[in-house]
Amino acid sequence: EDQVTQSPEALRLQEGESSSLNCSYTVSGLRGLFWYRQDPGKGPEFLFTLYSAGEEKEKERLKATLTKKESFLHITAPKPEDSATYLCAVTSGTSGSRLTFGEGTQLTVNP
Amino acid sequence: DAGVTQSPTHLIKTRGQQVTLRCSPKSGHDTVSWYQQALGQGPQFIFQYYEEEERQRGNFPDRFSGHQFPNYSSELNVNALLLGDSALYLCASSTTGNYGYTFGSGTRLTVV
Repeated sequence: EDQVTQSPEALRLQEGESSSLNCSYTVSGLRGLFWYRQDPGKGPEFLFTLYSAGEEKEKERLKATLTKKESFLHITAPKPEDSATYLCAVTSGTSGSRLTFGEGTQLTVNP
Repeated sequence: DAGVTQSPTHLIKTRGQQVTLRCSPKSGHDTVSWYQQALGQGPQFIFQYYEEEERQRGNFPDRFSGHQFPNYSSELNVNALLLGDSALYLCASSTTGNYGYTFGSGTRLTVV
């Protein structure tokens, strides 16, 4: 059974203070690792998909990286509008196309 | 470009009642998945529909059932509601074999 663990559960940053969120996973045959952003009361918004170890993707202040056991979401010089819950999910050879999510990291960026 | 549309946005039901939630997928998408998200937790996979058939199912009891219509829209039905069914129910659509899921804003179900 696929497992995803995210840390920390919550993170408070000052505007401009860079940091990283962690997503550790245990799967049999990773097909894809996904990062989503979720604002309160809304559905997850797609950010990135990573498929193989060593892969990196960037979008504005966000950069996602992938190793064989974990993924990091790096946030550079965050702004208050980056405040949200960030969710990590995986699909695998055993899970088919279903997404297995972690519990998320709640990020708060103070001005 | 209309994304995934879910209705209703909020719903309050009494324990033991039945509920139906609806989802219209993003234009061009033919696969619909449903997830349950309890407060403070990540979404949990309920089931997935493609070509009007349930293709995959998560670890949810038979009280949870669904349907997909020829226009790819979908319904989630929950019978004999329990207090623990209170959650945000999310619909996600995609094209076959593509993992680029688009999520709707969800239906907030409260069981009292």
